[in-house]
Amino acid sequence: GNSVTQMEGPVTLSEEAFLTINCTYTATGYPSLFWYVQYPGEGLQLLLKATKADDKGSNKGFEATYRKETTSFHLEKGSVQVSDSAVYFCALSASKIIFGSGTRLSIRP
Amino acid sequence: EPEVTQTPSHQVTQMGQEVILRCVPISNHLYFYWYRQILGQKVEFLVSFYNNEISEKSEIFDDQFSVERPDGSNFTLKIRSTKLEDSAMYFCAGSDQSYNEQFFGPGTRLTVL
Repeated sequence: GNSVTQMEGPVTLSEEAFLTINCTYTATGYPSLFWYVQYPGEGLQLLLKATKADDKGSNKGFEATYRKETTSFHLEKGSVQVSDSAVYFCALSASKIIFGSGTRLSIRP
Repeated sequence: EPEVTQTPSHQVTQMGQEVILRCVPISNHLYFYWYRQILGQKVEFLVSFYNNEISEKSEIFDDQFSVERPDGSNFTLKIRSTKLEDSAMYFCAGSDQSYNEQFFGPGTRLTVL
């Protein structure tokens, strides 16, 4: 069946550090892949997406590349800010969205 | 920019009571979903709804749960007799196409005492 596995948190970084949050997936067919972000006290917002192999999704300085050969969709950002503190969910789209367990990211000034 | 809205933002109820959670999806969306997130856990799919009927449901979505779109605008989730373990954040979502990205509401926090 379809599933998403992502890096356990919490992840704590200093401002301007490089961020990687690993995500791998198992799927039949070729699903679309997403990163959703949940800021404290808020709902789920789509951060970025990729719909086919080798696509790169990007938004707000975050990037992720759809890698079919490694079934991965790792989230990266070159220089994080305090405002990036949130929970990040990797997800895939089948007939429904299947989420990973979430990674809590805390950025200290 | 259009957005999904949900009411109430927080609902407190006694075990055994019925609750109705309401959602107003984006107007041009055709596919509607409910998910839930128990505190500290992953977001789980409950049910999808298209063309006025359930298209898929998870094992969580038992006979105590129902959904409807009574007026072409609101999309509701009803829990007939709440249990303690129903305490969670409930998210409504919509999309214009199946298998496409979904747009989520801010959620309703349900607390069952």
